[in-house]
Amino acid sequence: DIQMTQSPSSLSASVGDRVTITCRASQSISTFLNWYQQKPGKAPKLLIYTASSMQSGVPSRFSGRGSGTDFTLTITSLQPEDFATYYCQQTYTIPFTFGPGTTVDIK
Amino acid sequence: QVQLVQSGAEVKKPGSSVKVSCKASGGTFSSYIMSWVRQAPGQGLEWMGRIIPISGTADYAQKFQGRVTITADESTSTSYMELSSLRSEDTAVYYCARPKAGAPGAFDIWGQGTMVTVSS
Repeated sequence: DIQMTQSPSSLSASVGDRVTITCRASQSISTFLNWYQQKPGKAPKLLIYTASSMQSGVPSRFSGRGSGTDFTLTITSLQPEDFATYYCQQTYTIPFTFGPGTTVDIK
Repeated sequence: QVQLVQSGAEVKKPGSSVKVSCKASGGTFSSYIMSWVRQAPGQGLEWMGRIIPISGTADYAQKFQGRVTITADESTSTSYMELSSLRSEDTAVYYCARPKAGAPGAFDIWGQGTMVTVSS
């Protein structure tokens, strides 16, 4: 199975901050990488697919980049509604595997 | 607008089985591969398997092989996930999820989740 890691595991930030989350795959996955946001008690929400394509309705402050094994999710100006847990997911091969998550909370 | 509506919460004894349903509305059921993902309390997301409704072909994560069965009923636009030989570690929220068109595995539609509690 392809292992996904994320860093940091958690971070504290303020409204307006620029935040970057890193995701690394244990082998090359081309751009078969998606990002999700999850809030407590809710299903995950797709933000970015195929590494850099933005899902419809997602604010433009979210962006993704990367290919191969290293990927990033950036939030350019953190808003109150962005405090959540973020997961990366590889879809290069089954089993589709998720990263352990990065929790963004309020400083 | 496609929606996935799942069955209600379940409490099961260790060693028993659970079957969770996921009914799709607002779209063409057979056109999309349906996956099942679970999340233990306070933990991350874990992909369990998927089914191609039009063929009935299913793929499973090795971890669940032999214990999970995912099926689809095109006549009712419903997918089912059955997990057997339940243990306490199977306590989790179980989600069905449908991928975005043209982006296999990128789940843009999720069910609301079904809490399964395994306890003696």
